[in-house]
Amino acid sequence: EDKVVQSPLSLVVHEGDTVTLNCSYEVTNFRSLLWYKQEKKAPTFLFMLTSSGIEKKSGRLSSILDKKELFSILNITATQTGDSAIYLCAVGGGADGLTFGKGTHLIIQP
Amino acid sequence: GAGVSQSPRYKVAKRGQDVALRCDPISGHVSLFWYQQALGQGPEFLTYFQNEAQLDKSGLPSDRFFAERPEGSVSTLKIQRTQQEDSAVYLCASSLTGNENTGELFFGEGSRLTVL
Repeated sequence: EDKVVQSPLSLVVHEGDTVTLNCSYEVTNFRSLLWYKQEKKAPTFLFMLTSSGIEKKSGRLSSILDKKELFSILNITATQTGDSAIYLCAVGGGADGLTFGKGTHLIIQP
Repeated sequence: GAGVSQSPRYKVAKRGQDVALRCDPISGHVSLFWYQQALGQGPEFLTYFQNEAQLDKSGLPSDRFFAERPEGSVSTLKIQRTQQEDSAVYLCASSLTGNENTGELFFGEGSRLTVL
């Protein structure tokens, strides 16, 4: 059974801090790992990673995949209150549909 | 439309009632997925369509759950004889590709079902 584990489950930091969110996985026939940001509405796409060791960046957010150790991290630098959300990691593997982790609930305090 | 549209946004049902949730995917998207997201959990896969064909329904929790996409566009998720444990947000997502989930999914805002 495909499995995605995210840590921590929740995190509270102050504005301006840097955070690292973790995602480890066990899937058959790995195809891709995706990060989503979920506020009160629909999850919105952040990154898709397919190759190991190549960092993807978008502004203050960056992510990297380690296919040997089966994990990915999502970094957010200089956090802002608008970064408060649930960050979901999902992996595309042998089954149709993505397997999601439970998410990391990130709270940025002013 | 510009994005994935779901209706109703909120549905309150009495236990035992049947409900129908609708999803309008992004025009031209081949793949359509339904997920169930319970409070505090990540989305759980329910079923997957490629055009009108339902290729995987392994995630449907019981035979009370039924999904269709008869013309390869709009999809309906039907839940018969609702139970309290069916209370969740039901997310629909579509993808341009016809391959198994290698691409980005675009999610709707979900239908929040509360069963009393």
